[in-house]
Amino acid sequence: DVKVTQSSRYLVKRTGEKVFLECVQDMDHENMFWYRQDPGLGLRLIYFSYDVKMKEKGDIPEGYSVSREKKERFSLILESASTNQTSMYLCASSLSDRVGRPQHFGDGTRLSIL
Amino acid sequence: AQTVTQSQPEMSVQEAETVTLSCTYDTSESDYYLFWYKQPPSRQMILVIRQEAYKQQNATENRFSVNFQKAAKSFSLKISDSQLGDAAMYFCAGNTGGFKTIFGAGTRLFVKA
Repeated sequence: DVKVTQSSRYLVKRTGEKVFLECVQDMDHENMFWYRQDPGLGLRLIYFSYDVKMKEKGDIPEGYSVSREKKERFSLILESASTNQTSMYLCASSLSDRVGRPQHFGDGTRLSIL
Repeated sequence: AQTVTQSQPEMSVQEAETVTLSCTYDTSESDYYLFWYKQPPSRQMILVIRQEAYKQQNATENRFSVNFQKAAKSFSLKISDSQLGDAAMYFCAGNTGGFKTIFGAGTRLFVKA
């Protein structure tokens, strides 16, 4: 089975801090994604990566950056955390060999910015 | 542009009964894929079922089946013989190619014992 592991289930940080969320997948998937999940809004794509060192902005990239130095690892960075970034963050991965591959998700990180 | 709409924020069903969750989508593409994902409370989101738009036959996975009405742009999920473990948030999603998958707002399903 595909395993997508997020480094923390719960995280509490202060405004202005630089926050790192880590995600690792063990199935050699080309694609990796970071989503933000808020009630009533579903999942919104922050960034995705289709290869090592490659990244593309999603729908809500402002205030975030990402890093993918190795194929299995995709990091989300909040450069200067703000209270409106309090949310559930989901990492996902998928194969890239054809259209319509389902995504495999991590357990999520519930991030609170105080 | 692609949109996915789930108009039911919450649904409830009696154990052993059948429930249908609604989803509508809109895309100008002819090739696309539709999904239903399940997110149990405090647990990982998993794929429930996947439908390829070019296939006329509705996808089925055990107690889960879809009613795919291409002309009406409708993609509903039917859960038969509902179980307590079916209680979760359900997300409808669509992918028209490339990397982006668009998710609906979700429907929270409650199962009553």
